[in-house]
Amino acid sequence: KQEVTQIPAALSVPEGENLVLNCSFTDSAIYNLQWFRQDPGKGLTSLLLIQSSQREQTSGRLNASLDKSSGRSTLYIAASQPGDSATYLCAVRARSGGGADGLTFGKGTHLIIQP
Amino acid sequence: GAVVSQHPSWVICKSGTSVKIECRSLDFQATTMFWYRQFPKQSLMLMATSNEGSKATYEQGVEKDKFLINHASLTLSTLTVTSAHPEDSSFYICSARGGPSQNTGELFFGEGSRLTVL
Repeated sequence: KQEVTQIPAALSVPEGENLVLNCSFTDSAIYNLQWFRQDPGKGLTSLLLIQSSQREQTSGRLNASLDKSSGRSTLYIAASQPGDSATYLCAVRARSGGGADGLTFGKGTHLIIQP
Repeated sequence: GAVVSQHPSWVICKSGTSVKIECRSLDFQATTMFWYRQFPKQSLMLMATSNEGSKATYEQGVEKDKFLINHASLTLSTLTVTSAHPEDSSFYICSARGGPSQNTGELFFGEGSRLTVL
């Protein structure tokens, strides 16, 4: 059974710093990996999607990497801003979906950017 | 990105009543929709997968008679929590795949529905 772990569980940094969020998964047979942002009491906003054949994706100040063989992904946030404060979730989709190929989520990293 | 809308965003009901939550894909046809629940400070847990026109596939431990899922059209899926009890109180989130994300597999999520059962 796929398990997704995110480290750290919480992170607080001053505005302007660059930071890295970590995600690891136990089964490397994935179809893709997706990073999301969740604001309190809200749904999920898709940030970046990395296919299993890709090694990284970039969108603005965000860069996500994928090392499938080691079961790791990182989300790099450059020049952090208070508006980046949220919970960041990592999720993987299994390659063998079967009848239910939804995503397996980590518990998230709760990020606070101090003004 | 594609837009997924959920309604209602929050609902309070008495124990024993049934509650229906709607999930709509607004600008694309969702061939597959997923329902998740999320407890406070916990991760999202997949409840079931539904494909348009067919019965939903439930995850182990999810009671299909309690959580009725209907995916009657390519833009609408509903989750009905029957005979709700306080332990069913949770944040329910739907997601959809289809249209522009059919090939990439990207999932788009609704805003979630917070259910509180008194």
